[in-house]
Amino acid sequence: EVQLVESGGGLVQPGGSLRLACVASGFTFSTYEMVWVRQAPGKGLDWLSYISSGGGNIYYADSVKGRFTISRDNAKNSLYLQMNSLRAEDTALYYCARDSSAYGEPGFDYWGQGTLVTVSS
Amino acid sequence: QAGLTQPPSVSRGLRQTATLTCTGNSNNVGNEGAAWLQQHQGRPPKLLSYRSNNRPSGISERFSASRSGNTASLTITGLQPEDEADYLCSAWDSSISAWVFGGGTKLTVL
Repeated sequence: EVQLVESGGGLVQPGGSLRLACVASGFTFSTYEMVWVRQAPGKGLDWLSYISSGGGNIYYADSVKGRFTISRDNAKNSLYLQMNSLRAEDTALYYCARDSSAYGEPGFDYWGQGTLVTVSS
Repeated sequence: QAGLTQPPSVSRGLRQTATLTCTGNSNNVGNEGAAWLQQHQGRPPKLLSYRSNNRPSGISERFSASRSGNTASLTITGLQPEDEADYLCSAWDSSISAWVFGGGTKLTVL
């Protein structure tokens, strides 16, 4: 069974940092591209970042470029999101999702349950 | 980054058919199509259709996706109470090297 489990969320002051993690199981993590997506309370989905299966290709949304860093450790089946210079508008539920594009079917086919990040003083 | 355009809400009766739309441009929907996701309140999104318009394993045949030009569509036939949810589309935008989402359509089954 494919599972994605996020962790690392919490309450942080503006300007602070957090590191989110997403542990994958039930599939060969090293062969899949991965993304981070967030959802502010009552709002739609907001794509943040993409990383290729080997980590060599990375993309960011303009809203987080220069503040957030995506990375992965295929030996640990883990995806990360380092978030710095956090702002109130970064408050959201953060999801990791699997991108199945490399298998010929582009789409985010599995999602974690999300981890909540609250940026407030 | 500019997102995709979806109508905020659609209402249809039980057992009727609903067609939801998602409009982008030639750099995203028109280029590589759109994927569709369903999200129930308080739950993570669930993929209904890949950008190829194929359904993932386990997704009902009542859900079918298509595309015409820069507009993608999701058709849901035989509406059931459990189909009441938010439906979102997503596409890769090659001009900005970014994924973009629609704002979502809230489907109400009357």
